[in-house]
Amino acid sequence: DAGVIQSPRHEVTEMGQEVTLRCKPISGHNSLFWYRQTMMRGLELLIYFNNNVPIDDSGMPEDRFSAKMPNASFSTLKIQPSEPRDSAVYFCASSTGTGRYEQYFGPGTRLTVT
Amino acid sequence: AQKITQTQPGMFVQEKEAVTLDCTYDTSDPSYGLFWYKQPSSGEMIFLIYQGSYDQQNATEGRYSLNFQKARKSANLVISASQLGDSAMYFCAMRATPKTSYDKVIFGPGTSLSVIP
Repeated sequence: DAGVIQSPRHEVTEMGQEVTLRCKPISGHNSLFWYRQTMMRGLELLIYFNNNVPIDDSGMPEDRFSAKMPNASFSTLKIQPSEPRDSAVYFCASSTGTGRYEQYFGPGTRLTVT
Repeated sequence: AQKITQTQPGMFVQEKEAVTLDCTYDTSDPSYGLFWYKQPSSGEMIFLIYQGSYDQQNATEGRYSLNFQKARKSANLVISASQLGDSAMYFCAMRATPKTSYDKVIFGPGTSLSVIP
């Protein structure tokens, strides 16, 4: 079975540009999570969706960040405009939303904003 | 407030030896779940093991076992017969708030494990 798919795997962009990260969760999983990982702050939950509905976006740093989940098989995280401090690895994860609730992570997108 | 603490920023273990990675947690919810994840240098996050707060026995998955001490609020990961491929960051995590639809998980800061040949 395919795991969580993220694209792109690496993104280098200039400050001020728009960045869009994409995620395809595991089929049948009802919950989707976006995380950001940096050395300084560790792994931070940005937002999560359940049945395509945003449940908790309290981790979204500011209005420059937005996330959508138009259907059960696709989600995007957009940063506009990007800033150097947004440089991080962004992970998408999904879970069944039942039982043990363990999350399965994608390979991550390494974002570098120059 | 819910919190995960991992007090060992870095650990070393000799190949084929066992190692224990510490994790303590804080929650006021009676029902919760505890997880361990592994992050090798390649960057992916790998789910290792799960322990429910009401589980009577400690969880085991192959060479991984979880030493769950509920009264002490600790959930230490034990890796037996360490292998070079076990060198990685290890994160303890907790899911709580079961009364809502949340399946939000909080992660600890991680412990870096290095296996020495």
